[in-house]
Amino acid sequence: QTVVTQEPSLSVSPGGTVTLTCGLTSGSVSTAFYPSWYQQTPGQAPRTLIYTTNTRSSGVPDRFSGSILGNKAALTITRAQADDESDYYCLLYVGRGSWVFGGGTKLTVL
Amino acid sequence: QVQLQESGPGLVKSSETLSLTCVVSGFSISSGFYWGWVRQPPGKGLEWIGSRSPSGSTYDNASLKSRVSISLDSPREFFSLTLKSVTAADTAVYFCVRHRSGSKNFDCWGQGIQVTVSS
Repeated sequence: QTVVTQEPSLSVSPGGTVTLTCGLTSGSVSTAFYPSWYQQTPGQAPRTLIYTTNTRSSGVPDRFSGSILGNKAALTITRAQADDESDYYCLLYVGRGSWVFGGGTKLTVL
Repeated sequence: QVQLQESGPGLVKSSETLSLTCVVSGFSISSGFYWGWVRQPPGKGLEWIGSRSPSGSTYDNASLKSRVSISLDSPREFFSLTLKSVTAADTAVYFCVRHRSGSKNFDCWGQGIQVTVSS
């Protein structure tokens, strides 16, 4: 069974930069996994931020960017703002018509 | 603008069958894309349940496959989830989603519906 890993929690100062990562317990993440990133605030549906590794969804500010860093997918947030405080989930396509979410990262802006 | 809206009972008894519907507006199910379901237990992360395409492609989470059925009703622009033999572990917010076959991201989400399994 494929397990996708994310940092359970991270914090960033207002105006600062933070990088969230998305890895595998076995193997490396590459563009072939079509990594995508979602932002979720309490009580709301997730919102797509990034897809196919580094493509921003419509309306997403350029403070959010996606990449592959080493053997993981990464979401970098620059110029962090208070309303970036959310849960962030990565999603990987693991092949054979199967998708797996990471456990999520709770981002605190303080 | 594409909109997805879940509906169904908010309470299901243990061992019975959970049935949810997702009505799609602003886009035709038969125009392509994949249509599926994601759930989120209280205080926990997201879990993909399964997806279907209008052409008949079927994808299911292996951990749920034996209990899950997803069907599309293209003429009436809705799709459904059936989950058999539910337990307390199936208590969650259930989201219907649209996702792309090419980029494989989930690009449109319903607002979600809370389903509680009671003993």
